[in-house]
Amino acid sequence: QVQLVESGGGVVQPGRSLRLSCAASGFSFANYGMHWVRQTPGKGLEWMVVISNDGVNKYYADSVKGRFTISRDNSKNSVFLQMNSLRAEDTAVYYCAKDHGWFGDLYFDYWGQGTLVTVSS
Amino acid sequence: NVLTQSPGTLSLSPGERATLSCRASQSVSSNFLAWYQQKPGQAPRLLIYGASSRATGVPDRISGSGSGTDFTLTISRLEPEDFAVYYCQQYGSSYSFGQGTKLEIK
Repeated sequence: QVQLVESGGGVVQPGRSLRLSCAASGFSFANYGMHWVRQTPGKGLEWMVVISNDGVNKYYADSVKGRFTISRDNSKNSVFLQMNSLRAEDTAVYYCAKDHGWFGDLYFDYWGQGTLVTVSS
Repeated sequence: NVLTQSPGTLSLSPGERATLSCRASQSVSSNFLAWYQQKPGQAPRLLIYGASSRATGVPDRISGSGSGTDFTLTISRLEPEDFAVYYCQQYGSSYSFGQGTKLEIK
């Protein structure tokens, strides 16, 4: 069965960096696009970024463009989110999600359980 | 494309019919509209894609309809496990989510 397991969340000071990981299993990871989505009580679900199956194509939401970077390692069935210059408003539960297609332009058919990031001094 | 869901909260009893609405500010390309269910402490679960296609394992009492800017999720006979928060999402032009409808037990 498909499993997505996020890790790397925690408490971080404003302006610092954090790297999230998502380990995938149960499907041919190299054949699918992958997303990061975050959720806050105030703003609900917010899509942040997608990476195509081969890692070549990446698209970012304006809210994180220039601060966050997505990458993947198909040999390790993992996708990563490097978050720099963190702000209080980045506090959220971060989910990785599998796209139904290879490019990453379809719906999200599986989600991980999420990892909590708290940005606070 | 901003998605607006209504109502914000829906209070119903098991066995009743639930109708949830999702309205888009612009036409959703190719009816690329999905619905997700989320229970407390859990990740969202895909229910419907392409406005009306059920995901694997979704019971047939749950159905999606609509096109253009107006979409509906219908649960014909509510079961106890259906009480949750429901989100619509469009994936026709980038991605955006509605703010959610909480379906609670009356």
